[in-house]
Amino acid sequence: NAGVMQNPRHLVRRRGQEARLRCSPMKGHSHVYWYRQLPEEGLKFMVYLQKENIIDESGMPKERFSAEFPKEGPSILRIQQVVRGDSAAYFCASSGSRDTIYFGEGSWLTVV
Amino acid sequence: TQLLEQSPQFLSIQEGENLTVYCNSSSVFSSLQWYRQEPGEGPVLLVTVVTGGEVKKLKRLTFQFGDARKDSSLHITAAQPGDTGLYLCAGAGQAGTALIFGKGTTLSVSS
Repeated sequence: NAGVMQNPRHLVRRRGQEARLRCSPMKGHSHVYWYRQLPEEGLKFMVYLQKENIIDESGMPKERFSAEFPKEGPSILRIQQVVRGDSAAYFCASSGSRDTIYFGEGSWLTVV
Repeated sequence: TQLLEQSPQFLSIQEGENLTVYCNSSSVFSSLQWYRQEPGEGPVLLVTVVTGGEVKKLKRLTFQFGDARKDSSLHITAAQPGDTGLYLCAGAGQAGTALIFGKGTTLSVSS
């Protein structure tokens, strides 16, 4: 019974490169959330998606960040032209209902 | 904007002590979840409370949801080193919105 699967677990990118983080929700879940976590800052909501739809992207930076959850395949969080400030842990979560969500183990992005 | 304030931010205690962590807001939540996160891992769901005044017990952990559904507490009895970690509360608010998280309480239990 696979949980939320994220990959890669660790990713190193040079400034200016692109980072793509993937998330496969739990079986039967159609809601996907992306959160970013910085040390001592807690989990910050970025975007909430359902299949082929962005429901709430109020936490996404206006530039360089995008997310999708296609009809087939995993959800993708894409960061273009990465900068050092993008270094963080990015967590994906999924739910079958609105209230209780389950997290993946995270993707740690390091920008050098 | 809905906010969740957790206190204390850091807590360091000896094995066997009791402790309480608080999660407060001025907003009403339809439900509230508590998660525990260890370094290098994702948050793991501990409990979901839904009804105002609800109390749930998970072994040595007792969770309470305030009557007005604006606050919650987590009480740990006879803490053990294995309880060490980051404890996060998260609230579900308006329909169609994602969970809002507090900044967490970092608990360290030494033997």
